[in-house]
Amino acid sequence: GAVVSQHPSRVICKSGTSVKIECRSLDFQATTMFWYRQFPKKSLMLMATSNEGSKATYEQGVEKDKFLINHASLTLSTLTVTSAHPEDSSFYICSASGTGANYGYTFGSGTRLTVV
Amino acid sequence: EDQVTQSPEALRLQEGESSSLNCSYTVSGLRGLFWYRQDPGKGPEFLFTLYSAGEEKEKERLKATLTKKESFLHITAPKPEDSATYLCAVRSRGGSQGNLIFGKGTKLSVKP
Repeated sequence: GAVVSQHPSRVICKSGTSVKIECRSLDFQATTMFWYRQFPKKSLMLMATSNEGSKATYEQGVEKDKFLINHASLTLSTLTVTSAHPEDSSFYICSASGTGANYGYTFGSGTRLTVV
Repeated sequence: EDQVTQSPEALRLQEGESSSLNCSYTVSGLRGLFWYRQDPGKGPEFLFTLYSAGEEKEKERLKATLTKKESFLHITAPKPEDSATYLCAVRSRGGSQGNLIFGKGTKLSVKP
Protein backbone atom coordinates (compact mmCIF):
# COMPACT_ATOMS: atom_id res chain seq x y z
CA GLY A 1 0.00 0.00 0.00
CA ALA A 2 0.88 3.67 -0.17
CA VAL A 3 3.43 4.71 2.43
CA VAL A 4 4.36 8.20 3.54
CA SER A 5 7.48 8.73 5.62
CA GLN A 6 7.83 11.84 7.78
CA HIS A 7 11.00 12.99 9.56
CA PRO A 8 11.95 13.86 12.16
CA SER A 9 9.38 12.36 14.53
CA ARG A 10 10.43 14.71 17.32
CA VAL A 11 12.47 17.90 17.34
CA ILE A 12 13.33 20.45 19.99
CA CYS A 13 14.70 23.80 18.89
CA LYS A 14 15.51 27.17 20.40
CA SER A 15 13.39 30.24 19.79
CA GLY A 16 14.46 32.11 16.69
CA THR A 17 15.88 29.13 14.87
CA SER A 18 14.38 27.33 11.86
CA VAL A 19 13.30 23.73 11.61
CA LYS A 20 12.72 21.63 8.50
CA ILE A 21 10.30 18.70 8.37
CA GLU A 22 10.39 16.24 5.47
CA CYS A 23 7.54 14.25 4.01
CA ARG A 24 8.31 11.52 1.48
CA SER A 25 6.05 9.23 -0.50
CA LEU A 26 7.92 5.93 -0.64
CA ASP A 27 6.05 3.87 -3.20
CA PHE A 28 3.97 6.29 -5.21
CA GLN A 29 4.23 9.67 -6.86
CA ALA A 30 2.61 12.34 -4.71
CA THR A 31 1.23 14.99 -6.99
CA THR A 32 -0.39 16.73 -4.04
CA MET A 33 0.73 16.97 -0.43
CA PHE A 34 -1.11 18.46 2.51
CA TRP A 35 0.35 19.85 5.72
CA TYR A 36 -1.72 19.78 8.90
CA ARG A 37 -1.26 21.02 12.41
CA GLN A 38 -2.89 19.30 15.37
CA PHE A 39 -3.47 20.70 18.85
CA PRO A 40 -4.46 18.51 21.81
CA LYS A 41 -8.13 17.54 21.68
CA LYS A 42 -8.57 19.52 18.47
CA SER A 43 -9.22 18.64 14.84
CA LEU A 44 -6.42 18.38 12.35
CA MET A 45 -6.21 21.83 10.82
CA LEU A 46 -5.07 22.13 7.23
CA MET A 47 -2.23 24.60 6.88
CA ALA A 48 -1.44 24.37 3.19
CA THR A 49 -1.71 22.31 0.06
CA SER A 50 1.22 21.87 -2.28
CA ASN A 51 1.33 20.58 -5.82
CA GLU A 52 4.57 19.33 -7.27
CA GLY A 53 6.47 22.09 -9.02
CA SER A 54 4.20 24.94 -8.05
CA LYS A 55 3.71 27.29 -5.11
CA ALA A 56 1.78 26.06 -2.11
CA THR A 57 -1.72 27.28 -1.37
CA TYR A 58 -2.05 28.41 2.22
CA GLU A 59 -5.21 28.36 4.30
CA GLN A 60 -6.52 31.58 5.74
CA GLY A 61 -4.59 32.68 8.79
CA VAL A 62 -1.45 30.66 8.02
CA GLU A 63 1.64 32.83 7.57
CA LYS A 64 3.36 32.02 4.30
CA ASP A 65 6.66 33.53 5.39
CA LYS A 66 6.73 31.59 8.63
CA PHE A 67 5.74 28.20 7.25
CA LEU A 68 7.69 27.66 4.05
CA ILE A 69 6.58 24.73 1.94
CA ASN A 70 8.54 23.25 -0.92
CA HIS A 71 7.31 20.43 -3.14
CA ALA A 72 10.17 20.14 -5.56
CA SER A 73 9.68 16.53 -6.60
CA LEU A 74 6.93 13.95 -6.85
CA THR A 75 8.19 12.17 -3.75
CA LEU A 76 9.28 14.95 -1.40
CA SER A 77 7.70 17.94 0.28
CA THR A 78 9.26 19.95 3.07
CA LEU A 79 7.82 22.29 5.69
CA THR A 80 10.23 24.78 7.23
CA VAL A 81 9.17 26.63 10.35
CA THR A 82 11.19 29.82 10.28
CA SER A 83 12.13 31.91 13.31
CA ALA A 84 10.29 29.49 15.54
CA HIS A 85 8.55 30.65 18.71
CA PRO A 86 7.10 28.64 21.60
CA GLU A 87 3.59 29.12 20.19
CA ASP A 88 4.69 27.18 17.10
CA SER A 89 5.08 24.11 19.29
CA SER A 90 2.63 21.55 17.97
CA PHE A 91 2.18 18.24 16.16
CA TYR A 92 2.66 18.60 12.41
CA ILE A 93 1.40 15.94 10.02
CA CYS A 94 1.69 15.59 6.27
CA SER A 95 -0.48 13.62 3.91
CA ALA A 96 0.03 12.75 0.28
CA SER A 97 -2.09 11.75 -2.65
CA GLY A 98 -1.31 10.85 -6.20
CA THR A 99 -0.96 7.99 -8.60
CA GLY A 100 -1.43 4.68 -6.81
CA ALA A 101 -2.94 6.19 -3.66
CA ASN A 102 -6.52 7.01 -2.83
CA TYR A 103 -7.11 10.70 -2.52
CA GLY A 104 -5.71 12.27 0.60
CA TYR A 105 -5.74 9.30 2.89
CA THR A 106 -2.09 8.41 3.33
CA PHE A 107 -0.62 10.23 6.29
CA GLY A 108 2.87 10.50 7.64
CA SER A 109 3.62 9.58 11.25
CA GLY A 110 3.79 13.19 12.38
CA THR A 111 6.43 15.48 13.87
CA ARG A 112 6.28 16.78 17.43
CA LEU A 113 7.90 20.21 17.46
CA THR A 114 8.84 21.81 20.76
CA VAL A 115 10.28 25.32 20.73
CA VAL A 116 12.07 26.33 23.91
CA GLU B 1 -19.83 26.01 5.73
CA ASP B 2 -18.68 22.40 5.73
CA GLN B 3 -18.65 20.92 9.22
CA VAL B 4 -17.94 17.60 10.93
CA THR B 5 -19.05 16.77 14.47
CA GLN B 6 -18.07 13.60 16.28
CA SER B 7 -19.66 12.14 19.39
CA PRO B 8 -19.03 11.16 22.03
CA GLU B 9 -15.78 12.97 22.72
CA ALA B 10 -14.60 10.01 24.79
CA LEU B 11 -15.90 6.48 25.23
CA ARG B 12 -14.87 3.86 27.77
CA LEU B 13 -15.83 0.26 27.12
CA GLN B 14 -15.17 -3.06 28.72
CA GLU B 15 -13.57 -5.66 26.53
CA GLY B 16 -16.32 -7.33 24.51
CA GLU B 17 -18.81 -4.48 25.01
CA SER B 18 -19.96 -3.42 21.53
CA SER B 19 -20.80 0.22 20.77
CA SER B 20 -20.94 2.87 18.04
CA LEU B 21 -19.21 6.15 17.33
CA ASN B 22 -21.07 8.92 15.52
CA CYS B 23 -19.96 11.38 12.88
CA SER B 24 -22.46 14.02 11.77
CA TYR B 25 -21.63 16.17 8.79
CA THR B 26 -22.88 19.05 6.69
CA VAL B 27 -21.13 19.52 3.38
CA SER B 28 -21.77 21.10 0.03
CA GLY B 29 -21.68 17.92 -2.00
CA LEU B 30 -20.06 14.93 -0.34
CA ARG B 31 -17.13 13.47 -2.23
CA GLY B 32 -16.20 10.95 0.41
CA LEU B 33 -16.34 10.32 4.14
CA PHE B 34 -13.20 8.91 5.71
CA TRP B 35 -12.56 7.12 8.99
CA TYR B 36 -9.10 7.02 10.54
CA ARG B 37 -7.54 5.57 13.64
CA GLN B 38 -4.91 7.66 15.42
CA ASP B 39 -2.65 6.37 18.17
CA PRO B 40 -0.92 8.85 20.53
CA GLY B 41 1.99 10.64 18.87
CA LYS B 42 1.26 9.06 15.48
CA GLY B 43 -0.32 10.12 12.23
CA PRO B 44 -3.82 8.96 11.27
CA GLU B 45 -4.13 5.44 9.89
CA PHE B 46 -6.70 4.96 7.15
CA LEU B 47 -9.64 2.68 7.91
CA PHE B 48 -12.50 3.29 5.45
CA THR B 49 -13.86 5.56 2.75
CA LEU B 50 -17.61 5.78 2.13
CA TYR B 51 -19.09 7.63 -0.81
CA SER B 52 -22.85 7.22 -0.86
CA ALA B 53 -25.75 6.77 1.57
CA GLY B 54 -26.41 3.14 2.35
CA GLU B 55 -22.82 2.11 1.81
CA GLU B 56 -21.19 -0.11 4.43
CA LYS B 57 -17.63 -1.35 4.88
CA GLU B 58 -16.14 -3.79 7.35
CA LYS B 59 -12.69 -4.56 8.65
CA GLU B 60 -12.21 -7.05 11.46
CA ARG B 61 -14.25 -5.73 14.44
CA LEU B 62 -15.08 -2.42 12.74
CA LYS B 63 -18.00 -1.60 10.48
CA ALA B 64 -18.67 1.81 8.99
CA THR B 65 -22.05 2.93 7.68
CA LEU B 66 -23.20 6.10 5.94
CA THR B 67 -26.44 8.05 5.67
CA LYS B 68 -27.08 11.45 4.09
CA LYS B 69 -26.34 13.22 7.36
CA GLU B 70 -24.10 10.97 9.43
CA SER B 71 -21.82 8.00 9.61
CA PHE B 72 -21.42 5.40 12.33
CA LEU B 73 -18.39 3.37 13.22
CA HIS B 74 -19.61 0.21 14.92
CA ILE B 75 -17.17 -1.68 17.10
CA THR B 76 -18.11 -5.27 17.82
CA ALA B 77 -16.61 -7.06 20.82
CA PRO B 78 -13.73 -4.58 21.16
CA LYS B 79 -10.33 -5.55 22.52
CA PRO B 80 -7.86 -3.37 24.46
CA GLU B 81 -5.77 -2.96 21.30
CA ASP B 82 -8.71 -1.11 19.72
CA SER B 83 -8.04 1.76 22.14
CA ALA B 84 -7.21 4.85 20.08
CA THR B 85 -8.73 8.09 18.84
CA TYR B 86 -11.02 7.59 15.87
CA LEU B 87 -11.22 10.48 13.42
CA CYS B 88 -13.89 11.19 10.85
CA ALA B 89 -13.25 13.45 7.86
CA VAL B 90 -15.17 14.56 4.79
CA ARG B 91 -14.15 15.74 1.38
CA SER B 92 -16.58 18.11 -0.29
CA ARG B 93 -16.98 19.65 -3.70
CA GLY B 94 -16.55 23.03 -2.10
CA GLY B 95 -13.31 22.15 -0.35
CA SER B 96 -10.06 23.93 -0.96
CA GLN B 97 -8.37 21.79 -3.62
CA GLY B 98 -10.29 18.86 -2.22
CA ASN B 99 -8.78 18.83 1.26
CA LEU B 100 -10.31 16.81 4.09
CA ILE B 101 -12.25 18.44 6.92
CA PHE B 102 -11.80 16.59 10.18
CA GLY B 103 -13.89 16.19 13.29
CA LYS B 104 -12.26 16.41 16.72
CA GLY B 105 -12.30 12.67 17.14
CA THR B 106 -13.60 10.14 19.66
CA LYS B 107 -11.10 8.79 22.15
CA LEU B 108 -11.91 5.13 22.74
CA SER B 109 -10.58 3.26 25.76
CA VAL B 110 -11.20 -0.47 26.05
CA LYS B 111 -10.51 -2.00 29.45
CA PRO B 112 -9.65 -5.70 29.80
